[in-house]
Amino acid sequence: DVKVTQSSRYLVKRTGEKVFLECVQDMDHENMFWYRQDPGLGLRLIYFSYDVKMKEKGDIPEGYSVSREKKERFSLILESASTNQTSMYLCASSRGPDSGANVLTFGAGSRLTVL
Amino acid sequence: RKEVEQDPGPFNVPEGATVAFNCTYSNSASQSFFWYRQDCRKEPKLLMSVYSSGNEDGRFTAQLNRASQYISLLIRDSKLSDSATYLCVVNPYSGGYNKLIFGAGTRLAVHP
Repeated sequence: DVKVTQSSRYLVKRTGEKVFLECVQDMDHENMFWYRQDPGLGLRLIYFSYDVKMKEKGDIPEGYSVSREKKERFSLILESASTNQTSMYLCASSRGPDSGANVLTFGAGSRLTVL
Repeated sequence: RKEVEQDPGPFNVPEGATVAFNCTYSNSASQSFFWYRQDCRKEPKLLMSVYSSGNEDGRFTAQLNRASQYISLLIRDSKLSDSATYLCVVNPYSGGYNKLIFGAGTRLAVHP
């Protein structure tokens, strides 16, 4: 079964800590995405990548950075965690660029709490 | 105004009922439209694409109204297993560039 795997389901961190969220996909997808999901706001795009070592800002990149050193792996980094970054983080991947690019496969999510 | 707007619900319906959700989008140049389903504490999954001519997949029917900039999802003969949040998703770009815009979702609760 094809899969997007997020390394941590639940994390609790303290304000100011550096946080790494890892995501790996086994579908040889070109595109990878990081979203955060908050009640009433839906999914908001943080960063995305169309290729190795390539990254583009999404709608809410402030306070985040990403790394894509290998095609299958896309990491989200919070340089200095703050309480307003408490959220559910969802990684996704898709084929591209064709009609399959619109079909996102999501990981199970990482729920981050920043104290 | 949000780019994609949905009634958050919840829609509480009995088994066997027909229920419909609407979703409006603000960018008239939007190219592709989808419904994703998200079960409680799970990740979103693609339910169906929405085509200009409308499309059906079993008990589910999706329609697009470009003039009024809304899409709809109709569920017939609701099952308990249909209980979930339904996310309206719009791609405002063409050419496979898939920076999708998600609505906040409509929650459906089907009861016995």
